[in-house]
Amino acid sequence: SQQGEEDPQALSIQEGENATMNCSYKTSINNLQWYRQNSGRGLVHLILIRSNEREKHSGRLRVTLDTSKKSSSLLITASRAADTASYFCATDASDSWGKLQFGAGTQVVVTP
Amino acid sequence: DAGVIQSPRHEVTEMGQEVTLRCKPISGHDYLFWYRQTMMRGLELLIYFNNNVPIDDSGMPEDRFSAKMPNASFSTLKIQPSEPRDSAVYFCASSSFLGQSIEKLFFGSGTQLSVL
Repeated sequence: SQQGEEDPQALSIQEGENATMNCSYKTSINNLQWYRQNSGRGLVHLILIRSNEREKHSGRLRVTLDTSKKSSSLLITASRAADTASYFCATDASDSWGKLQFGAGTQVVVTP
Repeated sequence: DAGVIQSPRHEVTEMGQEVTLRCKPISGHDYLFWYRQTMMRGLELLIYFNNNVPIDDSGMPEDRFSAKMPNASFSTLKIQPSEPRDSAVYFCASSSFLGQSIEKLFFGSGTQLSVL
């Protein structure tokens, strides 16, 4: 079963715009991670935020975590065509030791 | 480091045949994971190993699936006999633990399996 659910399922924006996607989950977590998957490739880790953190930045990425609402958001600023990919959140649940559960993903298309 | 290496990249087989997928994790990682990705079910965790020992195989769909990790640098996922519904992309990933939580996973490029 999927722990995280991303919203929206698909997102289409133009270069230079910001892209925001959300992830909701069901149980307590140790950390939440975001991954990117380009078409036909494996997943690549983007950023990890721990349950005691509220916000984290990495380059053009900004991740927030609200454990009271069991939700996270990923913001990509000043998007580029190369950001076109599927983005997945993954949760390391407190009661599922070692199991990183992935959501269904958000498909992002950035047009030049 | 070359990253997680999976082989073959593509596999086409006929129903009833045995399929073996291979994975070489990143050196020094003590956790290895097998995931399956389909459009309908997304990414599913099949099984994971810690120090070559299977820890949780509750995601393995049926007895037709088996996984082994004979040493720290090699793992296999076998399907016998294969069925068309096994068609998917199979990913291997490796990682390490830090404290009480799992750290980031490093994924291989996957094996695209088609069972005709």
